[in-house]
Amino acid sequence: GQNIDQPTEMTATEGAIVQINCTYQTSGFNGLFWYQQHAGEAPTFLSYNVLDGLEEKGRFSSFLSRSKGYSYLLLKELQMKDSASYLCAVSPNTGFQKLVFGTGTRLLVSP
Amino acid sequence: DTAVSQTPKYLVTQMGNDKSIKCEQNLGHDTMYWYKQDSKKFLKIMFSYNNKELIINETVPNRFSPKSPDKAHLNLHINSLELGDSAVYFCASSQMEAEAFFGQGTRLTVV
Repeated sequence: GQNIDQPTEMTATEGAIVQINCTYQTSGFNGLFWYQQHAGEAPTFLSYNVLDGLEEKGRFSSFLSRSKGYSYLLLKELQMKDSASYLCAVSPNTGFQKLVFGTGTRLLVSP
Repeated sequence: DTAVSQTPKYLVTQMGNDKSIKCEQNLGHDTMYWYKQDSKKFLKIMFSYNNKELIINETVPNRFSPKSPDKAHLNLHINSLELGDSAVYFCASSQMEAEAFFGQGTRLTVV
């Protein structure tokens, strides 16, 4: 089966750093994605990890440990506009035939 | 210049009706998808098409029938709508081994 777990909700203050964790158990593994979804909008791509380690992209970084079935998304210098849901998704097959999503983490950034 | 566009954005209809949602992508991608996002914001794959061919049907009731007239279009037809079909339906596309781009979603409400 496929199982992807994330915390349901997190809160943080503007300017802070927040880490959103994701653990997965899937039938196969061909990469892990993080998407951002603002309320009422489409998910938008943030990052992709297929090898172990840290990928940095501006204020956002994503880490992967395949042996532990674990990833995190790190958001630095939080801004109000970062309030959104963050979706962890695994591609279990080659060719990216589908993504298996976690339930998402709703992040609320307060002033 | 929308990359993945789907219509309509909102759809309110009565139980038992038949409705269609259209999706078009201008990214030149080979693979297109339909995802369903329920009231708890859980995003789940329904269908994947690659170059007009169905490659994944994720145990979706056969009241749902996707159609891909060409690789830039993937439409979703739903027969005999039920209350439980109320959700947001997202179309997406990707090129192999790359991230998926999502349309803005169609909020379907069955009354």
